[in-house]
This record gives sequence, C-alpha cells and structure tokens, in this order.
Amino acid sequence: NAGVTQTPKFQVLKTGQSMTLQCAQDMNHNSMYWYRQDPGMGLRLIYYSASEGTTDKGEVPNGYNVSRLNKREFSLRLESAAPSQTSVYFCASRRLAGEAGELFFGEGSRLTVL
Amino acid sequence: DAKTTQPTSMDCAEGRAANLPCNHSTISGNEYVYWYRQIHSQGPQYIIHGLKNNETNEMASLIITEDRKSSTLILPHATLRDTAVYYCIVRVLGLAAGNKLTFGGGTRVLVKP
Repeated sequence: NAGVTQTPKFQVLKTGQSMTLQCAQDMNHNSMYWYRQDPGMGLRLIYYSASEGTTDKGEVPNGYNVSRLNKREFSLRLESAAPSQTSVYFCASRRLAGEAGELFFGEGSRLTVL
Repeated sequence: DAKTTQPTSMDCAEGRAANLPCNHSTISGNEYVYWYRQIHSQGPQYIIHGLKNNETNEMASLIITEDRKSSTLILPHATLRDTAVYYCIVRVLGLAAGNKLTFGGGTRVLVKP
C-alpha cells in the first residue's frame, strides 16, 4: 500500500536546467497538490488539480508548470531552475477536492539548485 | 482562509498530556479546524479535524471553544515519537476555496524523557 509516491527523492540542478518531479497515488483520489517547503517554514501551495483534466494555481506558481497526466499522476516541471527554487517539494492527494477528508502526503523531493 | 496563531515551540514530558493551543479569531462559520504534524521533514500527517464539536480519534482530541475563536489539540499520553511540528489550519470546504490549504509556521513540540 504505497499511498503517494514521489520521484526523485533528491536532485541537484544547475541554474537554468530543467527537470520534472513525478507524483503518483494509488488511492483512486481525484484531487492532487504540489507544495514547497523552505527551511524552517510551513508549506506553500504551488499548484493543484481538483480532478483529472483540471489544474489551478496556488500561492506560489511562478516558475513552475504542472501536468495531470491521468487520475494517478501529477507532475511538476521546472523549466529553468533558479536558486530560489531550492526547497523540499511535497505532493499530496485527497479523495475529493472540496470534501472534509484528509490530505495524504508523499515523503518529499529535496531539490537543490546551484 | 482565516489566519491561525500558534506558539513557536513547546516542551512536554513523556507520558504526560500535551496541550497545543491555536488561535483563529477570524474564523468564519463554514471553516473547519484541521491539525497536521510533520516529523523530521517527512511528509505532513493528518491528525484530526472539526467544525464546532469536540472530536476524538485514536491519535488525539480536538477541543474547540464555543465561540470557535480558538482550539486545543490534546495528545493524551505523549511519547518521544510525538516530537514534531504541529500545524493548525482552518479551511473552508468547497471545490475552489477548500483547495488552498495553507500551512503556517506551526508549533515545534519536543517530548522529553
């Protein structure tokens, strides 16, 4: 029972390089989310997908793009990485976007941009 | 979403109850109170949520004041594994508004032997 799986767990990039963070959930959830967490800070929402085929901006979307590939998978892309994007990225899912149920989080992807 | 205020940190003795306060004085009638925790930079873990009644589950109890302007998370018998950052969040349900779940700074709880 994997829950929410993120890959890669660690990545080092040079400024200007691009990369995609992958997220998959096996709980048949409809909504998925990407958050970032900077050292000593809380989580900030980057993008979310309320259901397959839809995506919306969160608090800090600049510099990122997302793709809801299918119901299971939600990827986050950095087109031209910047040092300010050094952070830990968490993917999460919930059964239905507007309901009261809990968010299930992955273990995080630690990204360093040099 | 309403803003929440939590103490930055607190210590607790192992085996004792840990009482974590949260102030949400601007909460509106349709906003729920949620608690999550994060252990060692792992992904956050859901603990409990409530609207206006007190709630209890296998992990914790949530006590919400009658005016809903504050709440307390109670870990009944704290263990060393409860050392974590605890986040109090308020959230309105609904397709659009309820998705922007904002985690503030949280309370860093250290359970001591």
